[in-house]
Amino acid sequence: DVKVTQSSRYLVKRTGEKVFLECVQDMDHENMFWYRQDPGLGLRLIYFSYDVKMKEKGDIPEGYSVSREKKERFSLILESASTNQTSMYLCASSWTGVGYGYTFGSGTRLTVV
Amino acid sequence: AQSVTQPDIHITVSEGASLELRCNYSYGATPYLFWYVQSPGQGLQLLLKYFSGDTLVQGIKGFEAEFKRSQSSFNLRKPSVHWSDAAEYFCAVASRGGGGNKLTFGTGTQLKVEL
Repeated sequence: DVKVTQSSRYLVKRTGEKVFLECVQDMDHENMFWYRQDPGLGLRLIYFSYDVKMKEKGDIPEGYSVSREKKERFSLILESASTNQTSMYLCASSWTGVGYGYTFGSGTRLTVV
Repeated sequence: AQSVTQPDIHITVSEGASLELRCNYSYGATPYLFWYVQSPGQGLQLLLKYFSGDTLVQGIKGFEAEFKRSQSSFNLRKPSVHWSDAAEYFCAVASRGGGGNKLTFGTGTQLKVEL
């Protein structure tokens, strides 16, 4: 089975800290994605990458950046964490091609205090 | 731009009863449609998908969905719900073109199953 692994299940950080969320997939997928999930808002796309060193903004990129130096790893960076970034963060990967679904990681619940 | 509407935020059904979760989409061309399920504290798991052919698609865990172009709908159904089906369900539509394949998700429907 394809696995998408997120490095932390729960994370607590202080306001203003730089935060790194790591995601690794083991199926050689070209595409990787970062979503945040909030009650009543569903999943909102932050950034995605369709190749190494390539990235595109999603719907809510403000306050975030990403890095993809290797095909299997996609990192989400909160440059200066704020309380409104407290959320569940989900990483996903997929093959290129619109007919493929995503494989999701288990999520990281980030709390910024 | 594509969008997905799931009009029901919460649904409660009795175990053994039938289930239908509604999904309406907006997309200019023939859509690629997906249903995902999220159990508490977990990531999302793909239940089924539609992109062409038979408008009734079968998925895992006994779920099925029917694509109705005239109604822009892709409703999820199950004939007899089990207590383990309690979860949140997300409908999604894929956009084409450009790099990669982006999914746009609905806001989800939380399913509660009464024993």
